[in-house]
Amino acid sequence: DAGVTQSPTHLIKTRGQQVTLRCSPKSGHDTVSWYQQALGQGPQFIFQYYEEEERQRGNFPDRFSGHQFPNYSSELNVNALLLGDSALYLCASSLGAGADNEQFFGPGTRLTVL
Amino acid sequence: GENVEQHPSTLSVQEGDSAVIKCTYSDSASNYFPWYKQELGKRPQLIIDIRSNVGEKKDQRIAVTLNKTAKHFSLHITETQPEDSAVYFCAARRSSNTGKLIFGQGTTLQVKP
Repeated sequence: DAGVTQSPTHLIKTRGQQVTLRCSPKSGHDTVSWYQQALGQGPQFIFQYYEEEERQRGNFPDRFSGHQFPNYSSELNVNALLLGDSALYLCASSLGAGADNEQFFGPGTRLTVL
Repeated sequence: GENVEQHPSTLSVQEGDSAVIKCTYSDSASNYFPWYKQELGKRPQLIIDIRSNVGEKKDQRIAVTLNKTAKHFSLHITETQPEDSAVYFCAARRSSNTGKLIFGQGTTLQVKP
Protein backbone atom coordinates (compact mmCIF):
# COMPACT_ATOMS: atom_id res chain seq x y z
CA ASP A 1 0.00 0.00 0.00
CA ALA A 2 1.79 3.10 -1.26
CA GLY A 3 1.82 6.12 0.97
CA VAL A 4 1.81 9.74 -0.16
CA THR A 5 4.58 10.46 -2.65
CA GLN A 6 5.93 13.78 -3.86
CA SER A 7 8.30 14.84 -6.60
CA PRO A 8 10.86 16.19 -6.93
CA THR A 9 12.53 15.85 -3.53
CA HIS A 10 14.66 18.96 -4.00
CA LEU A 11 14.48 21.89 -6.38
CA ILE A 12 16.54 25.03 -6.90
CA LYS A 13 15.08 27.97 -8.79
CA THR A 14 15.89 31.66 -9.25
CA ARG A 15 13.67 34.62 -8.48
CA GLY A 16 10.95 35.22 -11.04
CA GLN A 17 10.86 31.65 -12.28
CA GLN A 18 7.91 29.29 -12.09
CA VAL A 19 7.81 25.87 -10.41
CA THR A 20 5.50 22.84 -10.45
CA LEU A 21 5.44 20.33 -7.60
CA ARG A 22 3.64 17.00 -7.77
CA CYS A 23 1.83 14.79 -5.29
CA SER A 24 0.30 11.33 -5.47
CA PRO A 25 -2.10 10.57 -2.63
CA LYS A 26 -2.15 7.46 -0.51
CA SER A 27 -3.96 4.58 -2.14
CA GLY A 28 -7.71 4.98 -1.68
CA HIS A 29 -7.55 8.69 -0.85
CA ASP A 30 -9.28 11.30 -2.99
CA THR A 31 -8.42 14.60 -1.27
CA VAL A 32 -5.13 16.48 -1.37
CA SER A 33 -4.06 19.42 0.79
CA TRP A 34 -0.90 21.45 0.31
CA TYR A 35 1.14 23.08 3.07
CA GLN A 36 4.20 25.34 3.13
CA GLN A 37 6.68 24.76 5.96
CA ALA A 38 9.32 27.45 6.38
CA LEU A 39 12.46 26.51 8.28
CA GLY A 40 11.77 26.22 12.00
CA GLN A 41 8.02 26.80 11.60
CA GLY A 42 4.87 24.75 11.54
CA PRO A 43 3.20 23.91 8.22
CA GLN A 44 0.87 26.57 6.81
CA PHE A 45 -2.19 25.57 4.79
CA ILE A 46 -2.12 26.65 1.15
CA PHE A 47 -5.22 24.96 -0.30
CA GLN A 48 -7.15 21.73 -0.59
CA TYR A 49 -8.39 19.88 -3.67
CA TYR A 50 -11.35 17.52 -3.76
CA GLU A 51 -13.25 16.31 -6.81
CA GLU A 52 -10.78 18.24 -8.98
CA GLU A 53 -11.79 21.56 -7.43
CA GLU A 54 -10.12 23.90 -4.97
CA ARG A 55 -12.31 23.59 -1.88
CA GLN A 56 -10.56 25.88 0.55
CA ARG A 57 -7.65 28.28 0.47
CA GLY A 58 -5.30 29.71 3.06
CA ASN A 59 -3.69 33.16 3.08
CA PHE A 60 -1.52 32.72 0.02
CA PRO A 61 -1.41 35.00 -3.04
CA ASP A 62 -2.72 34.07 -6.46
CA ARG A 63 0.84 33.19 -7.50
CA PHE A 64 0.08 29.89 -5.82
CA SER A 65 -2.26 27.72 -7.85
CA GLY A 66 -3.04 24.08 -8.11
CA HIS A 67 -4.76 21.33 -9.95
CA GLN A 68 -6.15 17.91 -9.23
CA PHE A 69 -6.35 15.20 -11.86
CA PRO A 70 -9.01 12.49 -12.30
CA ASN A 71 -6.64 9.96 -10.66
CA TYR A 72 -6.60 12.24 -7.55
CA SER A 73 -2.97 13.27 -7.97
CA SER A 74 -2.27 16.97 -7.65
CA GLU A 75 0.09 19.71 -8.70
CA LEU A 76 1.12 22.91 -6.95
CA ASN A 77 2.28 25.74 -9.18
CA VAL A 78 4.07 28.84 -7.96
CA ASN A 79 4.67 31.73 -10.36
CA ALA A 80 7.05 34.68 -10.09
CA LEU A 81 9.09 33.02 -7.34
CA LEU A 82 10.32 35.16 -4.46
CA LEU A 83 13.16 34.43 -2.05
CA GLY A 84 10.54 34.01 0.66
CA ASP A 85 9.00 31.08 -1.19
CA SER A 86 11.95 28.94 -0.13
CA ALA A 87 10.45 26.24 2.08
CA LEU A 88 9.47 22.60 2.39
CA TYR A 89 6.22 22.01 0.53
CA LEU A 90 4.15 19.21 2.01
CA CYS A 91 1.27 17.40 0.45
CA ALA A 92 -1.26 15.59 2.64
CA SER A 93 -3.96 13.21 1.49
CA SER A 94 -7.17 12.07 3.10
CA LEU A 95 -10.38 10.25 2.25
CA GLY A 96 -13.03 12.86 1.59
CA ALA A 97 -12.83 16.54 2.43
CA GLY A 98 -14.59 16.17 5.75
CA ALA A 99 -13.23 17.52 8.96
CA ASP A 100 -12.99 14.12 10.67
CA ASN A 101 -10.55 12.57 8.24
CA GLU A 102 -6.91 12.01 9.17
CA GLN A 103 -4.39 13.59 6.84
CA PHE A 104 -1.32 11.60 5.83
CA PHE A 105 1.71 13.65 4.82
CA GLY A 106 4.18 13.07 2.04
CA PRO A 107 7.95 13.51 2.46
CA GLY A 108 7.84 17.00 0.97
CA THR A 109 9.66 18.92 -1.74
CA ARG A 110 12.44 21.22 -0.58
CA LEU A 111 12.32 24.37 -2.74
CA THR A 112 15.23 26.81 -2.67
CA VAL A 113 14.85 30.15 -4.45
CA LEU A 114 18.10 32.00 -5.16
CA GLY B 1 -8.43 34.88 13.37
CA GLU B 2 -7.30 31.28 13.54
CA ASN B 3 -4.15 30.82 15.56
CA VAL B 4 -2.43 28.07 17.57
CA GLU B 5 0.27 28.97 20.09
CA GLN B 6 2.65 26.21 21.20
CA HIS B 7 5.07 26.17 24.14
CA PRO B 8 7.86 25.58 24.84
CA SER B 9 9.80 25.97 21.61
CA THR B 10 12.53 23.68 22.93
CA LEU B 11 12.46 21.04 25.66
CA SER B 12 15.31 18.95 26.98
CA VAL B 13 14.69 16.03 29.37
CA GLN B 14 16.60 13.08 30.73
CA GLU B 15 15.71 9.64 29.47
CA GLY B 16 12.89 8.24 31.60
CA ASP B 17 11.50 11.63 32.58
CA SER B 18 8.17 13.01 31.38
CA ALA B 19 7.70 15.74 28.78
CA VAL B 20 4.73 18.08 28.45
CA ILE B 21 3.97 20.34 25.49
CA LYS B 22 1.12 22.84 25.63
CA CYS B 23 -0.98 24.50 22.95
CA THR B 24 -3.64 27.19 22.97
CA TYR B 25 -6.06 27.76 20.11
CA SER B 26 -8.10 30.82 19.26
CA ASP B 27 -10.94 29.47 17.11
CA SER B 28 -13.72 28.27 19.41
CA ALA B 29 -15.20 26.32 16.48
CA SER B 30 -12.21 23.95 16.50
CA ASN B 31 -13.13 20.39 17.36
CA TYR B 32 -10.25 18.21 16.21
CA PHE B 33 -6.73 18.40 17.66
CA PRO B 34 -3.98 16.18 16.23
CA TRP B 35 -0.35 15.96 17.29
CA TYR B 36 2.37 15.27 14.74
CA LYS B 37 5.96 14.12 15.23
CA GLN B 38 8.52 15.21 12.65
CA GLU B 39 12.00 13.72 12.72
CA LEU B 40 14.79 15.57 10.97
CA GLY B 41 14.33 15.48 7.22
CA LYS B 42 11.18 13.35 7.43
CA ARG B 43 7.46 13.85 7.00
CA PRO B 44 5.14 14.80 9.88
CA GLN B 45 3.48 11.69 11.29
CA LEU B 46 0.32 11.62 13.37
CA ILE B 47 1.00 10.24 16.83
CA ILE B 48 -2.28 10.94 18.61
CA ASP B 49 -5.40 13.04 18.17
CA ILE B 50 -8.39 14.09 20.24
CA ARG B 51 -11.84 15.35 19.41
CA SER B 52 -13.73 17.95 21.37
CA ASN B 53 -16.22 15.51 22.85
CA VAL B 54 -13.40 13.85 24.82
CA GLY B 55 -11.28 15.35 27.62
CA GLU B 56 -8.38 12.90 27.57
CA LYS B 57 -6.97 10.17 25.37
CA LYS B 58 -4.07 7.84 26.02
CA ASP B 59 -2.00 5.54 23.83
CA GLN B 60 0.76 3.69 25.71
CA ARG B 61 3.31 6.36 26.77
CA ILE B 62 1.50 9.22 25.04
CA ALA B 63 -1.54 11.07 26.28
CA VAL B 64 -3.38 14.20 25.22
CA THR B 65 -5.68 16.34 27.36
CA LEU B 66 -8.16 18.96 26.19
CA ASN B 67 -9.71 21.85 28.09
CA LYS B 68 -12.35 23.32 25.79
CA THR B 69 -13.29 26.10 28.18
CA ALA B 70 -9.75 27.41 28.33
CA LYS B 71 -9.02 26.41 24.70
CA HIS B 72 -5.92 24.52 25.82
CA PHE B 73 -4.65 21.09 24.89
CA SER B 74 -1.48 19.32 25.93
CA LEU B 75 0.70 16.38 24.92
CA HIS B 76 2.19 14.24 27.68
CA ILE B 77 4.99 11.75 27.01
CA THR B 78 5.99 9.51 29.90
CA GLU B 79 9.13 7.40 30.31
CA THR B 80 10.83 9.27 27.47
CA GLN B 81 13.34 7.48 25.28
CA PRO B 82 16.06 8.88 22.98
CA GLU B 83 13.96 7.91 19.95
CA ASP B 84 11.30 10.36 21.15
CA SER B 85 13.68 13.17 20.15
CA ALA B 86 12.02 15.09 17.32
CA VAL B 87 9.97 18.20 16.58
CA TYR B 88 6.37 17.93 17.77
CA PHE B 89 3.54 20.00 16.27
CA CYS B 90 0.08 20.51 17.62
CA ALA B 91 -2.73 21.47 15.27
CA ALA B 92 -6.40 22.41 15.35
CA ARG B 93 -9.21 22.07 12.86
CA ARG B 94 -12.69 23.55 12.98
CA SER B 95 -15.89 21.61 12.80
CA SER B 96 -17.02 22.83 9.38
CA ASN B 97 -16.52 20.58 6.38
CA THR B 98 -12.88 21.39 5.79
CA GLY B 99 -9.48 19.80 6.00
CA LYS B 100 -7.56 22.94 6.94
CA LEU B 101 -5.20 22.26 9.83
CA ILE B 102 -3.80 25.21 11.79
CA PHE B 103 -0.41 24.25 13.20
CA GLY B 104 1.54 25.50 16.17
CA GLN B 105 5.14 26.62 15.77
CA GLY B 106 6.60 23.33 16.96
CA THR B 107 8.54 22.06 19.97
CA THR B 108 11.98 20.53 19.60
CA LEU B 109 12.22 17.73 22.15
CA GLN B 110 15.64 16.39 23.07
CA VAL B 111 15.83 13.28 25.24
CA LYS B 112 19.28 12.83 26.72
CA PRO B 113 20.45 9.25 27.35
